[in-house]
Amino acid sequence: AQTVTQSQPEMSVQEAETVTLSCTYDTSESDYYLFWYKQPPSRQMILVIRQEAYKQQNATENRFSVNFQKAAKSFSLKISDSQLGDAAMYFCAYGTSGSRLTFGEGTQLTVNP
Amino acid sequence: DARVTQTPRDKVTEMGQEVTMRCQPILGHNTVFWYRQTMMQGLELLAYFRNRAPLDDSGMPKDRFSAEMPDATLATLKIQPSEPRDSAVYFCASGLVLHRQGVYGYTFGSGTRLTVV
Repeated sequence: AQTVTQSQPEMSVQEAETVTLSCTYDTSESDYYLFWYKQPPSRQMILVIRQEAYKQQNATENRFSVNFQKAAKSFSLKISDSQLGDAAMYFCAYGTSGSRLTFGEGTQLTVNP
Repeated sequence: DARVTQTPRDKVTEMGQEVTMRCQPILGHNTVFWYRQTMMQGLELLAYFRNRAPLDDSGMPKDRFSAEMPDATLATLKIQPSEPRDSAVYFCASGLVLHRQGVYGYTFGSGTRLTVV
């Protein structure tokens, strides 16, 4: 069974600085997708970034980028120039084409002014 | 922006009552998920549908939970009878999955916070 592990229950960063959230996963599949979702206090789950396993190039979305290491089964999220609005719970998720998403336990990110 | 609409946003009910949660997926999406979120268990998949057909409901307690998609614009999750341990936030998510083209990401609704007293 696929598993997703986020080893950092909590992280904090100063406004305008950079923070990296870690995620590892276990799978025997070769073709899959990885996602980072953000859940602010409003509880809305918001898709932050998506990575296809067959692509070697790391995905980027404005201030958000990933470091995808397929052999190590690692998928970390880097947030640059952190803003107060980035404070939220962040979930790493794994899925194959058409299957369920498996989520990690989440990392609570605090942004200090 | 297209959005997944869930109703009600919050629901408080007494133990033993029937609860129905509704979800309107994004038009054109062919896959719908129901997830439950609790502090102890995190995000758990309850059921999911492809083109309105149930693909997996193994995460759902069969004796009290049921999930249906009567049409492409509506997914429902029912609990009968409800119990205090069912208290959680229930999320619906929808997405478009195309054969050999993969997944472009799933859009979540705002969730229904259920409290069973």
